[in-house]
Parts: sequence; structure tokens; C-alpha cells
Amino acid sequence: EPEVTQTPSHQVTQMGQEVILRCVPISNHLYFYWYRQILGQKVEFLVSFYNNEISEKSEIFDDQFSVERPDGSNFTLKIRSTKLEDSAMYFCASSDHRGRDYGYTFGSGTRLTVV
Amino acid sequence: KQEVTQIPAALSVPEGENLVLNCSFTDSAIYNLQWFRQDPGKGLTSLLLIQSSQREQTSGRLNASLDKSSGRSTLYIAASQPGDSATYLCAVRGNFNKFYFGSGTKLNVKP
Repeated sequence: EPEVTQTPSHQVTQMGQEVILRCVPISNHLYFYWYRQILGQKVEFLVSFYNNEISEKSEIFDDQFSVERPDGSNFTLKIRSTKLEDSAMYFCASSDHRGRDYGYTFGSGTRLTVV
Repeated sequence: KQEVTQIPAALSVPEGENLVLNCSFTDSAIYNLQWFRQDPGKGLTSLLLIQSSQREQTSGRLNASLDKSSGRSTLYIAASQPGDSATYLCAVRGNFNKFYFGSGTKLNVKP
């Protein structure tokens, strides 16, 4: 079964450093997303991406965050200057919206720890 | 803003029991609803997807129902097994292309 692949599985970074989280969505999917889950809290939406541009973003997704699809297969989330409160599990997802909606497929996540 | 609530927050049952997990949402204008399973420290595994026009979906021992007008969905697990122990998340998608998640029900099935 097709998978969404995320790397790394765990990243530790110092406060103020830039991090890039990487995702390889399912190859024929058109929509891409990032969600995050702070420990003990709900999974929350960060951003959706379609046709090489952001289609929607949450209030969490401020100027410190950016997304990119640099080469047609990878989808990245960059946090420019990490804060302690950015520590969370970050999930990438993709979906196929051609005709019937088959729902989202999520990756296994990247656990980001900011120290 | 859509609010998704799941009850109970935690459930512990002996192996073999049938059980029901509940999900409610405040805005009935949803596009679809998806149930996920999350093991500790792991990703989200899709279990069942129900479109807004559907009433239920079944996969093996799992059955999910949707009553859009009342803002409710249930996940029924038949003949529970210790391997079913996990957190079960309900997520609803509105007309905008994003999901709103509940807090989950943490299920423990005792051997």
C-alpha cells in the first residue's frame, strides 16, 4: 500500500536554530498538508498546499514557518528560528482529490524536540 | 469553528468485549469523517472514511456510523483484542480542505 514517508523520525535542535522536516507524499496525490501534535494535545492543522502554493494556513503558521515542494517529490516544512513551544510531533499528509475523496494518508511523523 | 469531542477519554475492557467509541462535532456541514488509530509515539493509521452522504462503513471488526444532522459518529469494535489497544481519533473535514481532530479515546484491552 502506498505510504507517506517522513524523515527524520526524531530531531533534536537548539532553540533559535532552523530545522527542515521532510516528507515524500504519495506519488499521484495532489494535495499536501502539515499537522502537528503537541504532547497530550489534539492534532492540529498547520497548512495545506496545492498546485505549488499554500491553499490555507492556520494562525499557528506564522512567518517562522514555510513550506516548499522543491523537486516534485519532496514536500518540506521549515521552521526558521525554533522555539521551545515548537516541540511536537509533526505529521505530513497527502490526499487525492480527483473525483471521489479517498481521505488523507498520514506519515509516521517527525518528533521535534527543541532544547 | 468546528469543535470535535470524543467520549470516553479512556476505556479499559476485557478481551472479547464489543465496544463503542463516540465522536460528536458542532458544525454538521462536513465533507467527510475519518477514524484513525494512533499507537504511542507513532503516526496516524486510517481505519475508516465516511463521506457525508454515507451512513456507515465497515472494515473487518470495525464499523463506523455517521449521523450528520445530529453531529455524531460512532466507532464500533467487535470482539476486541489486546492488539486493538491504542488511541482512536475522530477527524472531521469541512468544506475547507482541513481536518479537525478530537482528543481521542485511549483504549486498553486486557488479555
